[in-house]
Amino acid sequence: DAGVTQSPTHLIKTRGQQVTLRCSPKSGHDTVSWYQQALGQGPQFIFQYYEEEERQRGNFPDRFSGHQFPNYSSELNVNALLLGDSALYLCASSLRQGNQPQHFGDGTRLSIL
Amino acid sequence: QKEVEQDPGPLSVPEGAIVSLNCTYSNSAFQYFMWYRQYSRKGPELLMYTYSSGNKEDGRFTAQVDKSSKYISLFIRDSQPSDSATYLCAMSAMGGNTGKLIFGQGTTLQVKP
Repeated sequence: DAGVTQSPTHLIKTRGQQVTLRCSPKSGHDTVSWYQQALGQGPQFIFQYYEEEERQRGNFPDRFSGHQFPNYSSELNVNALLLGDSALYLCASSLRQGNQPQHFGDGTRLSIL
Repeated sequence: QKEVEQDPGPLSVPEGAIVSLNCTYSNSAFQYFMWYRQYSRKGPELLMYTYSSGNKEDGRFTAQVDKSSKYISLFIRDSQPSDSATYLCAMSAMGGNTGKLIFGQGTTLQVKP
């Protein structure tokens, strides 16, 4: 049973560029959440997608956007990259019904030069 | 003031010791409490999931929640070198599956053989 998978594993970009990160949820899950984890900090909630719609959003600017596809996979897009966007980006999936907690992937490490 | 406070450590103990990890929080709406373990260059792995106040035990791990004091703890008995990791507490006002998770900073634990 495959868990949450994220791609790519590592990514290096320069300031001002745009980036797209991808996530496939754990089999059977229908809800995807994205988190940003800076070095030495806990993850911070970016947004959550269910039924292809953004359901909740954290305190992140509009440069951060996302999408969920009919197969429940998701993308995180970040425009106009800043040095401060360097972080580990984590995807978590869960099942909307019931009360089982979110399962995380191993993340995409994004470095901005 | 952060919603969730967690001592970043690092915490170093000898093999076989009992480890106590703690978090305090300020938002009385939190009802769901989680502990995740994160190894270097990996995503958070769910250890314990509890609802409201009380204790929950799973093998060598015990989670305690005291909502009246806004304080949660994770105890690890007979600690092993393989327990060396960063431990993250997380909380949610809604379910652990649909609510945005608010994380502590994480406590780095080292168990020495």
